[in-house]
Amino acid sequence: GAGVSQSPSNKVTEKGKDVELRCDPISGHTALYWYRQSLGQGLEFLIYFQGNSAPDKSGLPSDRFSAERTGGSVSTLTIQRTQQEDSAVYLCASSPDRAFYEQYFGPGTRLTVT
Amino acid sequence: GDSVTQMEGPVTLSEEAFLTINCTYTATGYPSLFWYVQYPGEGLQLLLKATKADDKGSNKGFEATYRKETTSFHLEKGSVQVSDSAVYFCALRAQGGSEKLVFGKGTKLTVNP
Repeated sequence: GAGVSQSPSNKVTEKGKDVELRCDPISGHTALYWYRQSLGQGLEFLIYFQGNSAPDKSGLPSDRFSAERTGGSVSTLTIQRTQQEDSAVYLCASSPDRAFYEQYFGPGTRLTVT
Repeated sequence: GDSVTQMEGPVTLSEEAFLTINCTYTATGYPSLFWYVQYPGEGLQLLLKATKADDKGSNKGFEATYRKETTSFHLEKGSVQVSDSAVYFCALRAQGGSEKLVFGKGTKLTVNP
């Protein structure tokens, strides 16, 4: 079956612009995660959605970052007023439910802020 | 807070060599432990996992044993292949808490023929 998909695969934006990154989880997966992979910081958790519960936003680095998940499926990560330090690969993962150990990762969106 | 420390890379080996990538963690209680692998141009994939002390995870010839006494989860393979060239990440998920994964910084492995 189809895996986790993310779009765009690459995004180049100017400093100060807003960007939206999209994630389509595996159909039927109730848990969705966003992570960021950067050279300096490695892989960092950003935010977690589980069903209709309030999301765990504890990893968002600043209030410029936000995410939503519509209809329990597609998720959008929005970065406002991008900064150069936001340049990274943004990874989305999904899981059948919170008790399931494996998270299935998408290919990521490479964001470059110039 | 919870953290994972794994050996710095890159690691370069010849085919059929023995591989060890060290991983230690800091966490309260009994976290679940994972090794993820990222092949060139591909997404992260779960390689193996262990959910309680003394468990051994294994897959594709790789093994790792959950050692509570040394807070370690070292990855081993007896005979590596060129196709094992990838970046390997050790990770934990805290016991009874957030569902997030906490990752080590990754170790790049290159296997030469």
